[in-house]
Amino acid sequence: NAGVTQTPKFQVLKTGQSMTLQCAQDMNHEYMSWYRQDPGMGLRLIHYSVGAGITDQGEVPNGYNVSRSTTEDFPLRLLSAAPSQTSVYFCASFPAVSGNTIYFGEGSWLTVV
Amino acid sequence: DAKTTQPPSMDCAEGRAANLPCNHSTISGNEYVYWYRQIHSQGPQYIIHGLKNNETNEMASLIITEDRKSSTLILPHATLRDTAVYYCIVRALVGGGSNYKLTFGKGTLLTVNP
Repeated sequence: NAGVTQTPKFQVLKTGQSMTLQCAQDMNHEYMSWYRQDPGMGLRLIHYSVGAGITDQGEVPNGYNVSRSTTEDFPLRLLSAAPSQTSVYFCASFPAVSGNTIYFGEGSWLTVV
Repeated sequence: DAKTTQPPSMDCAEGRAANLPCNHSTISGNEYVYWYRQIHSQGPQYIIHGLKNNETNEMASLIITEDRKSSTLILPHATLRDTAVYYCIVRALVGGGSNYKLTFGKGTLLTVNP
C-alpha cells in the first residue's frame, strides 16, 4: 500500500512548455484533489474529482486541466506554463464516506522560468 | 462552505501543552473537523478529526465545543519536532449528495521553543 504517489518531485519548465504532474493512489478512494501552495500561503484547490469520469474546478483552475479516466489516477496538466505557476503542488485522496482520513502526496516542486 | 479562522502564529515552550484554537462558526451538522500539520513544505500530515465528541489519539486531543462553532487541538507535551503549520479543516459538502471538497484556512505556525 503506497498511499498517494506524486511524480515528478522536482521539475523546471520554460515558459510556454506543457507538462503533466502525475498522481496515483492505491486505496480505491473516490475523491482526489490537486492543490497548489505558494510561499507563506496555505493550500489552494485547483481541481477535484469525485469519481472516475467526473471532475470539477476549485479556487484556482485557470491554466490547468485534469482528467479522471480511472479511480487510481488523477493527472494535472499545465497547458502552457507561466512563471505564475511556479509553486508546490499537492495531490490528495480520500474515500467518500464521511469521517475518513485524507491522504496527501509528498508534493511536486515546479519552477517555471 | 464552512470557513475556518485560526491565529497566524503561536509559540509554546518545549514540554508544555500547545493549545491551538480554530473557529468554524458556520459548520454544518454533518461536517467533520480535521486537523493536519505541515512541516517545512512536506505533504500535510493527518493528526486527528472529530464530529461532535472530544477525541484523543497518540498524537493529540481534539476538543470541540458543544455548539460545534470552535475547536482546540491540544498537543500535550510539545517537542521541537512539533514546530509546523497546523491546519484546521472542515470537510465541506458541495452541491448536495455526496460531493465533497476540502477548504483550507491559512493555518497556524506553531513554534516550539527550547
